[in-house]
Amino acid sequence: AQSVTQLDSQVPVFEEAPVELRCNYSSSVSVYLFWYVQYPNQGLQLLLKYLSGSTLVESINGFEAEFNKSQTSFHLRKPSVHISDTAEYFCAVSKTSYDKVIFGPGTSLSVIP
Amino acid sequence: DAGVIQSPRHEVTEMGQEVTLRCKPISGHNSLFWYRQTMMRGLELLIYFNNNVPIDDSGMPEDRFSAKMPNASFSTLKIQPSEPRDSAVYFCASTSGDGNSPLHFGNGTRLTVT
Repeated sequence: AQSVTQLDSQVPVFEEAPVELRCNYSSSVSVYLFWYVQYPNQGLQLLLKYLSGSTLVESINGFEAEFNKSQTSFHLRKPSVHISDTAEYFCAVSKTSYDKVIFGPGTSLSVIP
Repeated sequence: DAGVIQSPRHEVTEMGQEVTLRCKPISGHNSLFWYRQTMMRGLELLIYFNNNVPIDDSGMPEDRFSAKMPNASFSTLKIQPSEPRDSAVYFCASTSGDGNSPLHFGNGTRLTVT
């Protein structure tokens, strides 16, 4: 079975500062990895995904994540955060594209003006 | 596309009453998932369907919970009887299942059982 760990439940950071949200997973098989973002009173939205190929994946709004197989990690980074990045971020894993997706506990990112 | 549509957005009911949550997945998506979100337990997968067939219901907490998908465009999650500890936000999500399609979530139903 797969599982996802997000060590930081809350991350406060000043506007325009860099941020890293940590994610580690455990699985006995190859997996797909995802980061989802949830804004207040909304459902989750896909931020970026790793399926195969390049281990560095990027989103359209400046986030990036790197798949590290040896460390079983998929940390999310952004070099300069904006107020609008304040949200809950979930790391997730699945075995296949149609299999169940298991989510981590989430990290609440608060950007301070 | 209108996205995944859930109804109602909010539901307040008394303990012991039956509750039915509804979901319309995105047209063409063949996998549907029900999740429950609480502060204490985070996002829990309750059940998922592939081509209208339940594949894994191991996350359904008790026999009080049941889910159906009578056709490709509709699913329900029913709680009977409801209890205060069922209070949570319930999300429905769908995907086409190919490698390029992520989960698309509805806006959720916030259930409060008093």
